Amino acid sequence: TQLLEQSPQFLSIQEGENLTVYCNSSSVFSSLQWYRQEPGEGPVLLVTVVTGGEVKKLKRLTFQFGDARKDSSLHITAAQPGDTGLYLCAGSTDKLIFGTGTRLQVFP
Amino acid sequence: DAGVIQSPRHEVTEMGQEVTLRCKPISGHNSLFWYRQTMMRGLELLIYFNNNVPIDDSGMPEDRFSAKMPNASFSTLKIQPSEPRDSAVYFCASSSSGQGVEGYTFGSGTRLTVV
Repeated sequence: TQLLEQSPQFLSIQEGENLTVYCNSSSVFSSLQWYRQEPGEGPVLLVTVVTGGEVKKLKRLTFQFGDARKDSSLHITAAQPGDTGLYLCAGSTDKLIFGTGTRLQVFP
Repeated sequence: DAGVIQSPRHEVTEMGQEVTLRCKPISGHNSLFWYRQTMMRGLELLIYFNNNVPIDDSGMPEDRFSAKMPNASFSTLKIQPSEPRDSAVYFCASSSSGQGVEGYTFGSGTRLTVV
């Protein structure tokens, strides 16, 4: 069974702080995606990374795919209350397998 | 595009009753996925279809669960009989590629409560 472990599970920070969320697996994935989910809604795709070592930036969010394509990280600079939500990584083989999730709360 | 449409948004039913969840994928997407989300187990893939054909149903927990996709614009997930442990949020997602490189578009989910 392919497992994607995310850490930390919960993160509560003040506006303006930086944070990093990690996504780790023993399996190799052809691509990896990050989603954000808000209460009462489905997950929404943020980014897809495909190449080992790839780094993608989306405004204050920086995503990195590990060289071996088994792990990934999401770094948020100067977090804002609007960043609050559940962050999910998902690894792709013939289907998407979702990670355990990181619940982020950013206080004003 | 209206996105992936799921109905109902909320369902409360008594144990033993049949429950049917519905999904309309995005037009032109040829892959459809049913996921279940709980606090304990996170987001679990139940079954997925490619071009209306079930490809992998290994995530379907029991024979009480069944899913159909009679055409490219409609899918159902049925639970019969329902049990309290089936309480969860059920999501439908669609994609233009089964491998999901283009990303999945999720519906808003159906929150099922079995009492």
